[in-house]
Amino acid sequence: AQSVTQLGSHVSVSEGALVLLRCNYSSSVPPYLFWYVQYPNQGLQLLLKYTSAATLVKGINGFEAEFKKSETSFHLTKPSAHMSDAAEYFCAVSDIQGAQKLVFGQGTRLTINP
Amino acid sequence: SQTIHQWPATLVQPVGSPLSLECTVEGTSNPNLYWYRQAAGRGLQLLFYSVGIGQISSEVPQNLSASRPQDRQFILSSKKLLLSDSGFYLCAWSIIGEQYFGPGTRLTVT
Repeated sequence: AQSVTQLGSHVSVSEGALVLLRCNYSSSVPPYLFWYVQYPNQGLQLLLKYTSAATLVKGINGFEAEFKKSETSFHLTKPSAHMSDAAEYFCAVSDIQGAQKLVFGQGTRLTINP
Repeated sequence: SQTIHQWPATLVQPVGSPLSLECTVEGTSNPNLYWYRQAAGRGLQLLFYSVGIGQISSEVPQNLSASRPQDRQFILSSKKLLLSDSGFYLCAWSIIGEQYFGPGTRLTVT
C-alpha cells in the first residue's frame, strides 16, 4: 500500500524567505509523485510531478521539488516566498497502474508573513 | 483543451434529503474519473473512481453512491443525507496518471 506523510500541518514564513514543505512517501513500486496547491474554496491545481525522469522537477509559480529515493522524500521548495503563495499544499503518490489512484497527504497550510 | 465542470457550486440540504452532484469533462475521451470529499481541516478522501462507463469502484462504505451514465459524466448521489456528509466535494479526471480537479461543490447538511 502507498502512503504519504507531510511533516507540519502549518508552515509560516516571511515574504522573501525560503519555502520548504516536507513530504515523505511509502510505495512498494516505483512511485509517481505530485504536489498540488489549493486556494480557499477552490479545486486543486497541479504544481509539479515526478514521473521517473529527472529527479529535480520544476513546476509552476517558481516551485520545485527533488525526488530522493534513499530518503523516500519529495520536498517542495521555493527560493523566495510571495504573499500569493499562501494556500494549502498537498503531496500525493500514485502507482500509475490500473485506476491510477492518488493517495494524498493531510496537507500543509502555508502562511506568508509580510 | 480539457475542462472539468461541477455543479452546483454550493448546496445547503436538510438531513434526510436526497443529493445529486454532477461532474462533466470536456475535451478528452475515456478518462478515469474520481470523486473526493474534503472535510473541514482534513485531507482528501477518495470516495469513488471509474475507469469506464458503468464501471464504479467504491473506496469506503458510506451513505453515497456514484454512477457514470456517459463517458464524460460522473454523478454522486445519496438517497438520504446525513450531517456527516457535509464537506467539499471534488471531481477529478485523469488519462496518464495526472489528475485534474474541478472547482468543487460545497455541501452543507443542516
